Amino acid sequence: DVKVTQSSRYLVKRTGEKVFLECVQDMDHENMFWYRQDPGLGLRLIYFSYDVKMKEKGDIPEGYSVSREKKERFSLILESASTNQTSMYLCASRRQGQNTEAFFGQGTRLTVV
Amino acid sequence: GENVEQHPSTLSVQEGDSAVIKCTYSDSASNYFPWYKQELGKGPQLIIDIRSNVGEKKDQRIAVTLNKTAKHFSLHITETQPEDSAVYFCAATPSGGYQKVTFGTGTKLQVIP
Repeated sequence: DVKVTQSSRYLVKRTGEKVFLECVQDMDHENMFWYRQDPGLGLRLIYFSYDVKMKEKGDIPEGYSVSREKKERFSLILESASTNQTSMYLCASRRQGQNTEAFFGQGTRLTVV
Repeated sequence: GENVEQHPSTLSVQEGDSAVIKCTYSDSASNYFPWYKQELGKGPQLIIDIRSNVGEKKDQRIAVTLNKTAKHFSLHITETQPEDSAVYFCAATPSGGYQKVTFGTGTKLQVIP
């Protein structure tokens, strides 16, 4: 059974804190993604990675960075958390190639107070 | 970049009726159109997809149609059941580049028993 696992289901952090969201996949996928989900806005791409140590900005990268030191792990970093980063964060992975399915983690609900 | 619009944002149907969700996309290079279902507390999961060389695809009670000329694609659910209640996302993926998946804003479907 394929799996994308996010380290936390719920997180509460204070404004200004550095926050790490971790994601691990066991499918040996090349591509990994971080999305943010907000009501009425759908899934917006923050960053994606197509290989180890490689990353590309998505549609809303401001205030975020990422790290991919190993193929199976993709981390999202909030350098200095702000209240407007309160959201649901979803990690996904996908095999390289056309028309391949994306597999999602269960999501991390982050609240910044 | 690609822009995917999805309608309606909410949809209520009686059990046994049909439900239709419509999406439009902007990038003519997109050639893969998956649909994802997100149940409460879970990440999105692929339910059906269609490629640009096909006009229609069916899987039991679910069907998807694609009109490449008009850049429209739709999800049809027949004989709806309470377990169909969820948020549905359409998406579009281009054939080239990093094949970034762009999602619609989501439709919350409620099936009333």
